[in-house]
Amino acid sequence: GAGVSQSPRYKVAKRGQDVALRCDPISGHVSLFWYQQALGQGPEFLTYFQNEAQLDKSGLPSDRFFAERPEGSVSTLKIQRTQQEDSAVYLCASSFDNLAASSYEQYFGPGTRLTVT
Amino acid sequence: DQQVKQNSPSLSVQEGRISILNCDYTNSMFDYFLWYKKYPAEGPTFLISISSIKDKNEDGRFTVFLNKSAKHLSLHIVPSQPGDSAVYFCAAEDSGAGSYQLTFGKGTKLSVIP
Repeated sequence: GAGVSQSPRYKVAKRGQDVALRCDPISGHVSLFWYQQALGQGPEFLTYFQNEAQLDKSGLPSDRFFAERPEGSVSTLKIQRTQQEDSAVYLCASSFDNLAASSYEQYFGPGTRLTVT
Repeated sequence: DQQVKQNSPSLSVQEGRISILNCDYTNSMFDYFLWYKKYPAEGPTFLISISSIKDKNEDGRFTVFLNKSAKHLSLHIVPSQPGDSAVYFCAAEDSGAGSYQLTFGKGTKLSVIP
C-alpha cells in the first residue's frame, strides 16, 4: 500500500474506556500529523511529529489525549477515559519533509471513526 | 474564532459549467494555501495549492486564485464533471510557525448535476 493507512476504521467505545488508534504513514515520510474532525466541521490539528520527536502538541484537547511515534514511523493516538465529546473522525496525515520540500502537501489516511456511547 | 471560512456549505452546478468555491481567511501570517477534496468515508485528497507569492496556480481543470489584500482565495473547476461531486476543504498554513499544521475551513459540498 502506497498511502497512509489507519486502523481500526471504526471504533465504538463505552464512556470511560481507553482507546488506541494507529497510523501507518507513507514510507519515508518524516512528518506525521493527527487531526480531529467533528461532524460537519473541517479537520482540526491535534499534534505533529518530525521523526520520533513530538514538536507540537498544542491541539490536544486535554491530558486524556496522548500521541507517540517511538521509532519515527508508526504512530498511535491514545485517548484515556473517553467522553462523548471525543466522538469524531481521527485523521492521520504524513508528508515528506517540510524543511526541504517545495510544497507543504500532507497526505491523509481514511480516518478512524470513533463513537463513544 | 475561525481563521479559515468557507461561507457556502453547499453548491450545485450543471455538468460542463464552471464551479467556483470560495474561501476567506483572517490570519495574515498564512502564506500557503491548499484545497482538498473529500469523498464520504475517505480521507481528504490534495487537489492544488498556492504560495502567497503567487496569485494564480493552474493544474488541468483546476485553478486557484489568491487575493492577498482581500484575504480571499477561490477554486475554479472547468468544466465541472459529476465525479467532482464531493466536499471541498480550503486549508491554510503559516510556514513560519514551525509546526506546519493546516487550518481548515468547514468545507463546501459540491454537487455536479449531469
